[in-house]
Amino acid sequence: DAGVIQSPRHEVTEMGQEVTLRCKPISGHNSLFWYRQTMMRGLELLIYFNNNVPIDDSGMPEDRFSAKMPNASFSTLKIQPSEPRDSAVYFCASGRGGDYNEQFFGPGTRLTVL
Amino acid sequence: RKEVEQDPGPFNVPEGATVAFNCTYSNSASQSFFWYRQDCRKEPKLLMSVYSSGNEDGRFTAQLNRASQYISLLIRDSKLSDSATYLCVVTTAGGTSYGKLTFGQGTILTVHP
Repeated sequence: DAGVIQSPRHEVTEMGQEVTLRCKPISGHNSLFWYRQTMMRGLELLIYFNNNVPIDDSGMPEDRFSAKMPNASFSTLKIQPSEPRDSAVYFCASGRGGDYNEQFFGPGTRLTVL
Repeated sequence: RKEVEQDPGPFNVPEGATVAFNCTYSNSASQSFFWYRQDCRKEPKLLMSVYSSGNEDGRFTAQLNRASQYISLLIRDSKLSDSATYLCVVTTAGGTSYGKLTFGQGTILTVHP
């Protein structure tokens, strides 16, 4: 049974470039979450979707960040333009709502902005 | 004040030792509690849920004290494979907080031979 799939696994880009991270959640899960992890700030929730609808995007750092979930099996996180301080590991997680609350994380995308 | 606070450690213990991690949370409306484990350069994975009455899973015991807003994790007979970062996780249920988890900074554990 496939877990959460993220691509790319590693991304190195130059400041000012557009970056798009992709996520395929586990089939049947109705919640999807984007996190960012750095040494300084730990694991931060950026945005989450329930049934493809964005519920809370208060963690999105600024307008350069945007996320979409066009259908139940795909989501993107876009950074445009990217900056060196965006360098981090970006995790996508999915889960079932209600009493479950367990979230299953993808392997993450390690982003380096030069 | 952070919503979820943990002692970052690191904790360095020998194999076979018993080690305990503590965590406090600030939101009294929190409903569900978890411990996640994160290995180096890997994704977080659920270790165990924490129930009001306390619960045990093999060598791992989790406790919750709602009055003190305090969660603990006890690991008995530590193994080398227990070396990881342990994340305390809290969630409120209902309304716009649906499904949202808040993670602590994590406690680093290293078990040595």
